[in-house]
Amino acid sequence: AQSVTQPDIHITVSEGASLELRCNYSYGATPYLFWYVQSPGQGLQLLLKYFSGDTLVQGIKGFEAEFKRSQSSFNLRKPSVHWSDAAEYFCAVGASRGNKLVFGAGTILRVKS
Amino acid sequence: DAGVIQSPRHEVTEMGQEVTLRCKPISGHNSLFWYRQTMMRGLELLIYFNNNVPIDDSGMPEDRFSAKMPNASFSTLKIQPSEPRDSAVYFCASRGLSGSNTDTQYFGPGTRLTVL
Repeated sequence: AQSVTQPDIHITVSEGASLELRCNYSYGATPYLFWYVQSPGQGLQLLLKYFSGDTLVQGIKGFEAEFKRSQSSFNLRKPSVHWSDAAEYFCAVGASRGNKLVFGAGTILRVKS
Repeated sequence: DAGVIQSPRHEVTEMGQEVTLRCKPISGHNSLFWYRQTMMRGLELLIYFNNNVPIDDSGMPEDRFSAKMPNASFSTLKIQPSEPRDSAVYFCASRGLSGSNTDTQYFGPGTRLTVL
């Protein structure tokens, strides 16, 4: 069965600093991987996805993620965080492109000025 | 595009009452998903439909929960009777055709349900 681990429940970074959110997955075959962001009281917005090909994936809002099969990881990065990035971030894995996603517990990002 | 539309956005009801949550997927999408989000259990997939047909309802917690998709533009999630432990945010998501550029789940804003 698929599973996703996001080891950090909360992360606080200073505005302008770099960010890395960790995601480890468990899945026997080639995974389909996603990062979503949720602002308070809002639904989930897709940041980026990995299906195949280049292991470094670019997304919206300046985010990128790198798929590392050897480490079963799909960490999310941003070189310079803005106060508007404060939100909860979810990593998800699927056996196919869009069906039956399994989500991690989420990481809450706080940005201090 | 209006995105996925859910109604109501907030629902407060008393234990034992019937609750119906509604979802309008993005036009042209052929898959629809219902999720529940709680602090304790995170985001859980309850059920999903392809072409209006339920494919996997293994996440539906018990018989008090039922979901329908009578046509491509409308789905309901019903809880009867409701219990306090059903309090959660319920999300609907839709997905475009497999292999298309909309072949990803797009989420609605959610319905916050409180059962007293």
